[in-house]
Amino acid sequence: EAGVAQSPRYKIIEKRQSVAFWCNPISGHATLYWYQQILGQGPKLLIQFQNNGVVDDSQLPKDRFSAERLKGVDSTLKIQPAKLEDSAVYLCASSLELASNEQFFGPGTRLTVL
Amino acid sequence: SQQGEEDPQALSIQEGENATMNCSYKTSINNLQWYRQNSGRGLVHLILIRSNEREKHSGRLRVTLDTSKKSSSLLITASRAADTASYFCASYNQGGKLIFGQGTELSVKP
Repeated sequence: EAGVAQSPRYKIIEKRQSVAFWCNPISGHATLYWYQQILGQGPKLLIQFQNNGVVDDSQLPKDRFSAERLKGVDSTLKIQPAKLEDSAVYLCASSLELASNEQFFGPGTRLTVL
Repeated sequence: SQQGEEDPQALSIQEGENATMNCSYKTSINNLQWYRQNSGRGLVHLILIRSNEREKHSGRLRVTLDTSKKSSSLLITASRAADTASYFCASYNQGGKLIFGQGTELSVKP
């Protein structure tokens, strides 16, 4: 079974630039999550989708972050414009359903904002 | 805010020794999970313990849960160099979000 795929794996940009991350969840998983993990901390949930609808985006800085999952499968997370403090690893995860016991994580995208 | 807080933040042991990591959480839970993260395999689910369980085993892993103290511990027995990783506890909050602790960075020296 293929795992959660993410791209790119690494991205370096300058502040005020834009960046987009892509995630393909495990086939059949209805729930998709985006997490931000700052160095030395645990992952923090940014947004979660159930199929193509947003369940929770309370921790998403909506002035600069946006995410979509138009067809209920792949998802993109965008930052526009980026700030220095956005440097982090962005993890995508999926699960069969909401509040499922186990989430499956992708390898992450390491973003460096200079 | 973090639901769980791990202790210690960092742990260094020799291969063959046991490693114990602790986690404290704030609100009532249905279950508590432990995840491992290393550069090779990313973040991986290790084990889940339900609120009505006190202890659970999986291979060299032993997890305990004390709901009266809102704490859990993860014991790795006979550690190996490959166990070197960061370990996180996580639990769902009332809003259905999985909240992770800060993690314990384990280093196992051969």
